[in-house]
Amino acid sequence: DAGVIQSPRHEVTEMGQEVTLRCKPISGHDYLFWYRQTMMRGLELLIYFNNNVPIDDSGMPEDRFSAKMPNASFSTLKIQPSEPRDSAVYFCASSRGLAKSDEQFFGPGTRLTVL
Amino acid sequence: RKEVEQDPGPFNVPEGATVAFNCTYSNSASQSFFWYRQDCRKEPKLLMSVYSSGNEDGRFTAQLNRASQYISLLIRDSKLSDSATYLCALISSGSARQLTFGSGTQLTVLP
Repeated sequence: DAGVIQSPRHEVTEMGQEVTLRCKPISGHDYLFWYRQTMMRGLELLIYFNNNVPIDDSGMPEDRFSAKMPNASFSTLKIQPSEPRDSAVYFCASSRGLAKSDEQFFGPGTRLTVL
Repeated sequence: RKEVEQDPGPFNVPEGATVAFNCTYSNSASQSFFWYRQDCRKEPKLLMSVYSSGNEDGRFTAQLNRASQYISLLIRDSKLSDSATYLCALISSGSARQLTFGSGTQLTVLP
């Protein structure tokens, strides 16, 4: 199994530009999560999907952030317009379910720098 | 008050030492607890779940103290390869059942 795949691995952009992060979950996993990790705030859940449907987006910082999951094998997190404070590592994770035994597997992350 | 609090460290210990981390949580309704390991510039990976009666996996022992609302991770005979950041995580009761992470404790095992 290839694991959770994220692209790009690194992104450097200028303030005001649109950024799109991509994620391919593990096949057969019904849940997909987007996290953001910074030194100041640690690892925070932004949004998660169940069977391609957004369930909880209360962690999305503001309207500049949006996430979609058009099918079971692809999700995007978009920031428009980007700001320097959005600089962080963005992780995508997937799991079969939400039981304690359903481990969340994380992708390698996208390291975003907004200048 | 944060839902999950950890001592950020860093903890610098010699090889072979025993080291323990604690993680306190504020929501008494929290149901499930975990320890994750994150290597530098890598993604978090599940180290072990924490069960009410405590559980052991080789050199690693996890314990839960519901009365005092903390979980702990004990590493015995520490190895150089144990150097990483250790994050506690929990799932609170309710429909969301989403993971909430602590900020992580950095461990460096010295030769």
